[in-house]
Amino acid sequence: DQQVKQNSPSLSVQEGRISILNCDYTNSMFDYFLWYKKYPAEGPTFLISISSIKDKNEDGRFTVFLNKSAKHLSLHIVPSQPGDSAVYFCAARKGGSEKLVFGKGTKLTVNP
Amino acid sequence: NAGVTQTPKFQVLKTGQSMTLQCAQDMNHEYMSWYRQDPGMGLRLIHYSVGAGITDQGEVPNGYNVSRSTTEDFPLRLLSAAPSQTSVYFCASRTGVSYEQYFGPGTRLTVT
Repeated sequence: DQQVKQNSPSLSVQEGRISILNCDYTNSMFDYFLWYKKYPAEGPTFLISISSIKDKNEDGRFTVFLNKSAKHLSLHIVPSQPGDSAVYFCAARKGGSEKLVFGKGTKLTVNP
Repeated sequence: NAGVTQTPKFQVLKTGQSMTLQCAQDMNHEYMSWYRQDPGMGLRLIHYSVGAGITDQGEVPNGYNVSRSTTEDFPLRLLSAAPSQTSVYFCASRTGVSYEQYFGPGTRLTVT
């Protein structure tokens, strides 16, 4: 049973436009969500996170939106740059647990 | 700081062999974890530790052992390698305050 779902395996956007990556979850006990970026042959790197008490968090070009009623979060990248091309993982944590549950990832390609 | 380091980068084992994947961090992080990533899958938690001397099982612990004798090191032992353990293994660490995890570069393991 996949608790964190990233239904789009890939996404292609033009440089300068907005990239929107989506993530759905099923467990209402999740209270903290994170996005990681991963380049080939490297470990994931932390991008941005959001607590379930918030509905939006911004960091530069990256914004994460959380819709708790829909159990949905999205990552917006504006403007997209070719260096943003990577696999993006959504992850969720249940309150009081050390365990992070990851989605399968979305491969973003930003075309010059 | 070197961050999170993992050795070896690549390893090929025969079925039934044992080995230890090394992980070290120099950030004085309390929490350390081991994940595996298989093609088309997200990262899955194998084992984790919330401090020296304390470990617990994650989502896919079978066939793996861990111990944490120091804050810095968190080795992962494969007791009797199986082809199903062919994967990329990532070690991660975090402080006790933030849920943001820092990942190592990974070890690519092939079991034939």
